[in-house]
Amino acid sequence: EDQVTQSPEALRLQEGESSSLNCSYTVSGLRGLFWYRQDPGKGPEFLFTLYSAGEEKEKERLKATLTKKESFLHITAPKPEDSATYLCAVQAHWIEGAQKLVFGQGTRLTINP
Amino acid sequence: NAGVTQTPKFQVLKTGQSMTLQCAQDMNHEYMSWYRQDPGMGLRLIHYSVGAGITDQGEVPNGYNVSRSTTEDFPLRLLSAAPSQTSVYFCASSYSVASSADTQYFGPGTRLTVL
Repeated sequence: EDQVTQSPEALRLQEGESSSLNCSYTVSGLRGLFWYRQDPGKGPEFLFTLYSAGEEKEKERLKATLTKKESFLHITAPKPEDSATYLCAVQAHWIEGAQKLVFGQGTRLTINP
Repeated sequence: NAGVTQTPKFQVLKTGQSMTLQCAQDMNHEYMSWYRQDPGMGLRLIHYSVGAGITDQGEVPNGYNVSRSTTEDFPLRLLSAAPSQTSVYFCASSYSVASSADTQYFGPGTRLTVL
């Protein structure tokens, strides 16, 4: 069964304090791994797609990396506006044509000024 | 582009009532889907569509119907609401149904409470 586990569940940092969020996955045939950001009361907002082990993507203070078993979202010198829940999802081989995303529970990140 | 839009934003129903959650996208995306988000459960796929006139079931389809008469719209119908359907519902769309992974873009959500 395809599974995604994110850790930690919650993380509180001081502004400027860098850290990493983890996404571990088991999937039969990875087609892509996605990172989303979700603010309270809003829909998930797309951040990155990673397709193969060794791939890295960057956007402002965020950098996502991928291995065969896990992905990391590195946050460098975060600001209070980076506070959100970060969701990891994998797209697995499923029924032909279906793009089923399997989501983790998310990491709730709080950046204190 | 407005992207993916959903209405209503909030809804309260009584057990047994029916209603339709609306979803529309203006990006000419082939693929559309509905997810529900529950505390501690993550997002789960309810139904999906690979194009106008074609729909299929996801992980948790019971109690929900969908149809796709146009590329733009993908409504989700609750036939007879139950308290277990209290959740936040998200519609998502992506450009193609090609074999490679394609990014799904989400709407703002509908928060539904069934009493």
